[in-house]
Amino acid sequence: SQQGEEDPQALSIQEGENATMNCSYKTSINNLQWYRQNSGRGLVHLILIRSNEREKHSGRLRVTLDTSKKSSSLLITASRAADTASYFCATDPNDYKLSFGAGTTVTVRA
Amino acid sequence: NAGVTQTPKFRVLKTGQSMTLLCAQDMNHEYMYWYRQDPGMGLRLIHYSVGEGTTAKGEVPDGYNVSRLKKQNFLLGLESAAPSQTSVYFCASWGLVSGDEQFFGPGTRLTVL
Repeated sequence: SQQGEEDPQALSIQEGENATMNCSYKTSINNLQWYRQNSGRGLVHLILIRSNEREKHSGRLRVTLDTSKKSSSLLITASRAADTASYFCATDPNDYKLSFGAGTTVTVRA
Repeated sequence: NAGVTQTPKFRVLKTGQSMTLLCAQDMNHEYMYWYRQDPGMGLRLIHYSVGEGTTAKGEVPDGYNVSRLKKQNFLLGLESAAPSQTSVYFCASWGLVSGDEQFFGPGTRLTVL
């Protein structure tokens, strides 16, 4: 069964605004990863946060992890049209297999 | 360095036909995976391999078989296709030296009529 669940399912924002999406999971993890999927393409790795980390930054991305609540959030700041995509969280329980959520579809309006 | 490639990109099958999807990676990764992606359901793991000559079942293995005869290739077979197997199939690989991220292929869109 899928471990992660993203919220919201869809998000529409104006260019320049921030986009925040959340991921909740059920079991203990080694790390949590976020991937982006542009329409009709494969997934691209964005950022990874380990279970002993609480926050991580990469460019315009900020990820937080709360293991007590089994939840994570992905923030994209100053969004651009090119950020229009689906975003998936994936949990790694340390068995070399990822469990993906259903994703959040982000639309950035010009 | 092509990364992960998949063949074919698109395919239409009739119910009962068989086919093989090919995944190739040139990163010398030990682990390879086959996922299917259906609308609103994210990616679900079909089968995976932790090394040449080994395969294991994932979350949704029924109706599929796999083989990993060479380290760089991972084949997904459908012996008797069913409309429920209409989906987009993604291959991914992961290596011990590449950190914890998986590298994905571009996908194969399969329609079973």
